[in-house]
Amino acid sequence: EVQLLDSGGGLVQPGGSLRLSCAASGFIFGNYAMHWVRQAPGKGLEWVADISGSGDTTSYADSVKGRFTVSRDNSKNTLYLQMDSLRAEDTAIYYCAKDQQYSSDWYVIDYWGQGTLVTVSP
Amino acid sequence: DIQMTQSPSSLSASVGDRVTITCRASETISNFLNWYQQKPGKAPKLLIYSTSSLQSGVPSRFSGRGSGTDFTLTINSLQPEDFATYHCQQSYSSPPTFGQGTKVEIK
Repeated sequence: EVQLLDSGGGLVQPGGSLRLSCAASGFIFGNYAMHWVRQAPGKGLEWVADISGSGDTTSYADSVKGRFTVSRDNSKNTLYLQMDSLRAEDTAIYYCAKDQQYSSDWYVIDYWGQGTLVTVSP
Repeated sequence: DIQMTQSPSSLSASVGDRVTITCRASETISNFLNWYQQKPGKAPKLLIYSTSSLQSGVPSRFSGRGSGTDFTLTINSLQPEDFATYHCQQSYSSPPTFGQGTKVEIK
């Protein structure tokens, strides 16, 4: 059974940093691209970033480019999202998500983590 | 970026009804259109990918069709567990983008 366990969310001040983690199990982690998708309170879904199965290709939404960094450790079956220079508008539930394929340009998400809440506030 | 627009934003229906949700892309996306179901407080769940392919384990009362810019998700014989918010998403080009969601409520 595929499982994705998101963690690392919390309350942070504007300008601060936070690192999210996602522990994966139930599939060969390195064989699939992974994504981060967020959802602001009461709003729709917004894709944040993705990374290929090997980790050598990444891409980002314009809204987070230069501030967020996605990475993965295939030996630990773990996905990360380093978030720096956080802003109030980054407040959201962040979901770790698995792609159907290895490459990071298929964009079909077949499994989602439970989400972790990030709140950016003074 | 490709904009995805869903209609309606919400609808009320009864158990047993047939429900259709529409999703329109701001430019052609071929058949690269996916549908997700999200229940309150839960993560989204993949229902349909590539316009009409049913994800494993999803009941056959869910179906999708369309091409180019206009797509539909149909739920035949709505069940109590189908009351949720439905999101469309284009996977044609980066960044992948989602519709604003359609909330299906009990009449």
